[in-house]
Amino acid sequence: AQSVTQLGSHVSVSEGALVLLRCNYSSSVPPYLFWYVQYPNQGLQLLLKYTSAATLVKGINGFEAEFKKSETSFHLTKPSAHMRDAAEYFCAVSAGSARQLTFGSGTQLTVLP
Amino acid sequence: SAVISQKPSRDICQRGTSLTIQCQVDSQVTMMFWYRQQPGQSLTLIATANQGSEATYESGFVIDKFPISRPNLTFSTLTVSNMSPEDSSIYLCSVAQGAGQPQHFGDGTRLSIL
Repeated sequence: AQSVTQLGSHVSVSEGALVLLRCNYSSSVPPYLFWYVQYPNQGLQLLLKYTSAATLVKGINGFEAEFKKSETSFHLTKPSAHMRDAAEYFCAVSAGSARQLTFGSGTQLTVLP
Repeated sequence: SAVISQKPSRDICQRGTSLTIQCQVDSQVTMMFWYRQQPGQSLTLIATANQGSEATYESGFVIDKFPISRPNLTFSTLTVSNMSPEDSSIYLCSVAQGAGQPQHFGDGTRLSIL
């Protein structure tokens, strides 16, 4: 079985500040991990993915995430927030031969001017 | 990545009716999935659409309520049957090329039941 926990359903940062969105996973086999972003009235867009290559993964829009096996974490960061980053962010896991994704509950990011 | 088109983008339906949602992909894909996103919540997998055979449903979802077709590698439909206000949600189609591969999503169908 696999699961994902996103800590903090709402995160607010000032424009230009560091963005840190937390994700912890549970999996009995090496996982594949993903971050998605959902803007209002849109579907989900893939930000980045971890598939057992480099532990530090760079994605689109300046986001990156680091896979830490010892902490079972895959936190999403961005050095400097922009107003356009305001959206809902979802962490997801796929484990072993499982085809489906299991999503976290989501984190709503607000960027303050 | 594949371009995914979902139709309709939104609809308002009467209680007791059914609606069929279409998902069209611009290239052949191995896997297609249907998700439900209830207001303010995360995504829940309804089923995996299998080409040429019956869909694989997740716990809590049944074929009579959510019949799914997948006649080929680029197209699938989800029907929401005998709708009630509890079915008001966003329904999303996604595609992937294999296990462990990232899924790519359509823009979703926003469904409201009166």
